[in-house]
Amino acid sequence: DAGVTQSPTHLIKTRGQQVTLRCSPKSGHDTVSWYQQALGQGPQFIFQYYEEEERQRGNFPDRFSGHQFPNYSSELNVNALLLGDSALYLCASSLFTGQPTGETQYFGPGTRLLVL
Amino acid sequence: AQSVTQLDSQVPVFEEAPVELRCNYSSSVSVYLFWYVQYPNQGLQLLLKYLSGSTLVKGINGFEAEFNKSQTSFHLRKPSVHISDTAEYFCAVSSVVIIQGAQKLVFGQGTRLTINP
Repeated sequence: DAGVTQSPTHLIKTRGQQVTLRCSPKSGHDTVSWYQQALGQGPQFIFQYYEEEERQRGNFPDRFSGHQFPNYSSELNVNALLLGDSALYLCASSLFTGQPTGETQYFGPGTRLLVL
Repeated sequence: AQSVTQLDSQVPVFEEAPVELRCNYSSSVSVYLFWYVQYPNQGLQLLLKYLSGSTLVKGINGFEAEFNKSQTSFHLRKPSVHISDTAEYFCAVSSVVIIQGAQKLVFGQGTRLTINP
């Protein structure tokens, strides 16, 4: 059973460019969350997708956008890259059960983005 | 809103010694509590979680944590550590509310556990 996969593993971009990161959730999961982990920091919640809609959003500017496809995979897009966007971007998947069960989020290995 | 404070940024310990990683949280609503581990160049792996019931939670790799509601703490412990436990450990919370989709996790800054031979 494949876990959460992310691509690419590493990426180098220059300021002002745009980037797209991809995530495939664990088999059977329908919810995808994205987190940004700056060097030496804990992950910070960007947004979450369920049923192809953004359901929750953290304190990130509109330059950060996303999409969820019918097969539950997801993309994170960042426009007009800044040096401060350099970080490890983590995708996490889970299964919505309809109840507040504290369901476990399973994390992928991340995409390390370096903005020069 | 929730916040998490991990009281130690780095904890050096000798192999086979006990260890405690401290975590305090703040929230105006009830929360679920989690500990994740991150090995070098990898994603996060769940060690254990507290949802309800017994305040002592046992997880993988011999770790356990105790929920203390009055002190709003969720400290992680292991009686005897191994070199392989060297990693970054993150405490996280999510609120107990009913919404569509999963609950967002709010993480602490992390504690780097270094095991010395």
